Amino acid sequence: QKEVEQDPGPLSVPEGAIVSLNCTYSNSAFQYFMWYRQYSRKGPELLMYTYSSGNKEDGRFTAQVDKSSKYISLFIRDSQPSDSATYLCTGGKSFKTIFGAGTRLFVKA
Amino acid sequence: DAGVIQSPRHEVTEMGQEVTLRCKPISGHNSLFWYRQTMMRGLELLIYFNNNVPIDDSGMPEDRFSAKMPNASFSTLKIQPSEPRDSAVYFCASSRRTSGGSHSYNEQFFGPGTRLTVL
Repeated sequence: QKEVEQDPGPLSVPEGAIVSLNCTYSNSAFQYFMWYRQYSRKGPELLMYTYSSGNKEDGRFTAQVDKSSKYISLFIRDSQPSDSATYLCTGGKSFKTIFGAGTRLFVKA
Repeated sequence: DAGVIQSPRHEVTEMGQEVTLRCKPISGHNSLFWYRQTMMRGLELLIYFNNNVPIDDSGMPEDRFSAKMPNASFSTLKIQPSEPRDSAVYFCASSRRTSGGSHSYNEQFFGPGTRLTVL
């Protein structure tokens, strides 16, 4: 079993839709959780991080962690074509970060 | 800052040849990571260095793979001999611990990657 499981998609939504991306993890020792966004033929870039259960909001993006169920979510409100990318969830402890496989998202204009 | 620099951006080689990938991390970052990304396996950590010392190389697939970090501004990943199944995008990333109040986390900055094709 991978430490971080993520549905690879692809997920296709119309512009303006609310997007929900989800991951599960198995390592209870993870201290922080992050979402990276990766555009085609580019390296991943940090989008959001959180280290506790609950919600963290940043503009149109909300990261949610439920440590009791080991569940990580990213919500995108009012999705835009520019949000089309692969989204990778991660769990980490100290210097080691474990990445999920990534979910490919397409937002259609 | 120029960000993480990787070279070459593309590499096409024949099976059995030696391949060397290069990385220059962001100045001031004390951790460096090598990843491999494929459609089938996603983003896999191969090895990471802290202060130029290899800390965890458990992700290095075989003895054909080796990595070095002779100083804080340069690292190499070598594959010898290369095989077609090594074809992938190889990313280098660097980081320094970032404080989020009472917690710290490890934001990694990725380079543009090297797309390796082994024929």
